[in-house]
Amino acid sequence: EIVMTQSPATLSVSPGERATLSCRASQNIGINLAWYRQKPGQAPRFLIYGASTRATGIPARFSGSGSVTEFTLTISSLQSEDFAVYYCEQYNNWPPTFGQGTKVEIK
Amino acid sequence: EVQLLESGGGLTQTGGSLRLSCAASGFTFSNYAMSWVRQTPEKGLEWVSSISNDGADPRYADSVKGRFTISRDNSKSMLYLQMNSLRAEDTAIYYCAKNPRGPASYIYFDNWGQGTLVTVSS
Repeated sequence: EIVMTQSPATLSVSPGERATLSCRASQNIGINLAWYRQKPGQAPRFLIYGASTRATGIPARFSGSGSVTEFTLTISSLQSEDFAVYYCEQYNNWPPTFGQGTKVEIK
Repeated sequence: EVQLLESGGGLTQTGGSLRLSCAASGFTFSNYAMSWVRQTPEKGLEWVSSISNDGADPRYADSVKGRFTISRDNSKSMLYLQMNSLRAEDTAIYYCAKNPRGPASYIYFDNWGQGTLVTVSS
């Protein structure tokens, strides 16, 4: 199965600043990558699919990029609700697999 | 608004069984594949099982194959997960999740329930 590796494990950022999260796949997955945000005590929320397409209702401060094995999620100006854990998921190969998460915390 | 409401979690012993249910609303259930995803602090998010919109194509993670059975009742907009021969490592929060299309392929999860906790004690 494809292993997804996210970095860093924890990212400390001040409100209003930019956050850049990375996700690496162990094999070529094209652009079949999704991102999710999970706040404490809540279910994950779907953010992005196709590596760069925002889901319905997701604000423009979230942007995704990358292809093949290297992917990035950028949050342009962190809001209070963005301090959470972010997961990437590949769905190119079976089974779908998730990264271990990046926690974005308040600096 | 899509709503997914899981039920059926709880405490059971090793070797026991549980049946999870997920009540779906706010969309045409019979048009979409559905999945179960579980989460633990140790292993993070783990895909468990998916089923195509017509129920003809169930898929399972190797870790649960032969022990878990996914099913759906499109007339009731319900998704199920029958879990048998439970092990301590099955302890997790189990989420019901909607997939973006009918076939159980290229699976990502565009809506999630709030989760139900399954605890397997030895």
